[in-house]
Amino acid sequence: AQSVAQPEDQVNVAEGNPLTVKCTYSVSGNPYLFWYVQYPNRGLQFLLKYITGDNLVKGSYGFEAEFNKSQTSFHLKKPSALVSDSALYFCAVRDNNNNDMRFGAGTRLTVKP
Amino acid sequence: DTGVSQDPRHKITKRGQNVTFRCDPISEHNRLYWYRQTLGQGPEFLTYFQNEAQLEKSRLLSDRFSAERPKGSFSTLEIQRTEQGDSAMYLCASSIQRPYGYTFGSGTRLTVV
Repeated sequence: AQSVAQPEDQVNVAEGNPLTVKCTYSVSGNPYLFWYVQYPNRGLQFLLKYITGDNLVKGSYGFEAEFNKSQTSFHLKKPSALVSDSALYFCAVRDNNNNDMRFGAGTRLTVKP
Repeated sequence: DTGVSQDPRHKITKRGQNVTFRCDPISEHNRLYWYRQTLGQGPEFLTYFQNEAQLEKSRLLSDRFSAERPKGSFSTLEIQRTEQGDSAMYLCASSIQRPYGYTFGSGTRLTVV
């Protein structure tokens, strides 16, 4: 069965500094990996996905993520954080044998001015 | 229609009452998913439709829960004899065929008192 781990409940960074939100996954087949962001009392907004190809994926709002097959990781990164990036971030995985997407527990990102 | 719509946004109900939520997916999306999200957790898969066929149900979907998608367009999720443990955000998402990601609605927040 597929699963996702987000080892950090909370990440704090200063505005302008780089940020990383960690994600590791487990699947039986080829992974399709996703990052979503959630603002208070809202649904999830898609940020980026890895399906195949280049290991570095660029997404919305200046975010990017790097797929590392040997480490089964898909960490989310941004070179320079903004206060408006403060939100809850979810990593998700599905493999090519399953229809549903499994989410991690989420990481709360706080960017301080 | 540019997104997934869910109605109502909030629902407060007394324990033991029945509730029904509606989801209108993006019109060209043939796949529709229901997830449940409790505070501090990632979304948990409940069920999935391809067109009008319900193809997969999670063990989380007890016999008090029923979902339909009668014409392959909108979907309803009904909870009978609600319990306090049913209090959560219920998220609907739609997609075209895999491996693409989902588009989520803003969710229905259910509070059982």
